[in-house]
Amino acid sequence: AQKVTQAQTEISVVEKEDVTLDCVYETRDTTYYLFWYKQPPSGELVFLIRRNSFDEQNEISGRYSWNFQKSTSSFNFTITASQVVDSAVYFCALGEPSGNTPLVFGKGTRLSVIA
Amino acid sequence: GAGVSQSPSNKVTEKGKDVELRCDPISGHTALYWYRQSLGQGLEFLIYFQGNSAPDKSGLPSDRFSAERTGGSVSTLTIQRTQQEDSAVYLCASSLPGIRSYNEQFFGPGTRLTVL
Repeated sequence: AQKVTQAQTEISVVEKEDVTLDCVYETRDTTYYLFWYKQPPSGELVFLIRRNSFDEQNEISGRYSWNFQKSTSSFNFTITASQVVDSAVYFCALGEPSGNTPLVFGKGTRLSVIA
Repeated sequence: GAGVSQSPSNKVTEKGKDVELRCDPISGHTALYWYRQSLGQGLEFLIYFQGNSAPDKSGLPSDRFSAERTGGSVSTLTIQRTQQEDSAVYLCASSLPGIRSYNEQFFGPGTRLTVL
C-alpha cells in the first residue's frame, strides 16, 4: 500500500529563515510520481512540483528547492529566505506509475512565517 | 479565469439530511477527482472519473456516498443521511487526460460541509 508521512504537523519560522519540510513515502512500485502542493488560507491547492521516480536530480525554482532521495524514500522541500506569503499548509503526495490517477496525500505541514 | 469551481462554498446541514455538492471542472479536462479533507488530516480520495470509463469508487467511505458526472463535465457528490463525521472540506480536482504520465490536478476552492 502507498503511504505518505509528513511528520511535522506545524512549523513556525521568522521571516528570512530557511525552512525544510519533510516528506517520507512508502510504495512497492518501482516507478511512481511525487508531488508537492501548497494550500494557502484561501483553501485552493496550488501545484508546486511533480517528480518522476527515475529522476533523482534535485530541483531549484527561485526560493524553492526539492531534495529527492530514493535511498531514504524522502522528498523534502526547502524554502530559502522565507516570506510571510509562504504561510500555508504544504502537502506531499504520491502517484501510481500508470499515471493520472488519484494521489495519496500526506497529512500536511502547516507553515507559519512570522514577520 | 476558468478554473475549477465548486458550489456551495459552505453548507450547514442537520444530521440525517441529504446534501449535494457540485463541481464544475475546467473545460476539456476529462479526469475529475473528489477528495475529502477532514480537520488535521490530509486529503482522502473519494471517487475518480476518467472520460467515459466506469468511475473508481474505491475511496467512498460508505454507501451513503455517491457521485455522478453528467455529460463528461459537471459532477455532483451526494451524501445521504449525513452524519457528524461527514463534516469536512470536500475538494474537487480536474486534469487533462494522460497515459503513463501525470497531468497537473487543478483543485477547486472546496465545499466546507458542517453536519450539526
